Amino acid sequence: EIVMTQSPATLSVSPGERATLSCRASQSVSSNLAWYQQKPGQPPRLLIYDASTRATGIPARFSGSGSGTEFTLTISSLQSEDFAVYYCQQYNNWPGWTFGQGTKVEIK
Amino acid sequence: QVQLVESGGGLVKPGGSLRLSCAASGFTFSDYYMIWIRQAPGKGLEWVSYISSSSSYTNYADSVKGRFTISRDNAKNSLYLQMNSLRAEDTALYYCARGYCSGGSCYGSAGYWGQGTLVTVSS
Repeated sequence: EIVMTQSPATLSVSPGERATLSCRASQSVSSNLAWYQQKPGQPPRLLIYDASTRATGIPARFSGSGSGTEFTLTISSLQSEDFAVYYCQQYNNWPGWTFGQGTKVEIK
Repeated sequence: QVQLVESGGGLVKPGGSLRLSCAASGFTFSDYYMIWIRQAPGKGLEWVSYISSSSSYTNYADSVKGRFTISRDNAKNSLYLQMNSLRAEDTALYYCARGYCSGGSCYGSAGYWGQGTLVTVSS
């Protein structure tokens, strides 16, 4: 099973600042990686697929990069609505997926 | 607009069974693969099961293999998850999700999610 490890567990950021979230795979997943945002009491929302492609309707301040085993989600200028938990998910061995444990982005 | 509405959750004793349903609307259900994903209280996401658009292929997480069965009825626009031999560790919010497709291609990511149905396994 491919293990996905996210860091940090919690990221404290001030509104307007940049946030950088990391995701590492235990073996190469090529570019078969997605990022999701989840707010309390809501289902997750797809932000990024194929490591760097924004899903429909996702603002340009969200960007993804990386391939192989190292991936990054960057939020260029944090808005109040961006404080949430973010998950990465690999689908290289689709249809068997694994998620990272999540990174909580909180207000500093 | 795409809507996914789960039902069938509840309190069940260890060893018991439940059948979850997911009613889909707002898209051509038979064109998309579907997934079940769960989230234990206060925890992260866990993929549970996958079914192809025509039901020809299914797959399960090791944690549920042999106990859960995914199925769908394209005529009724519905997805199901039969859960048997339930354990305390199956307690979670169960989400139904649709695969994400764009520009004629589908990707291994969940583009639309329901609100979830809560399954609690406890004596």
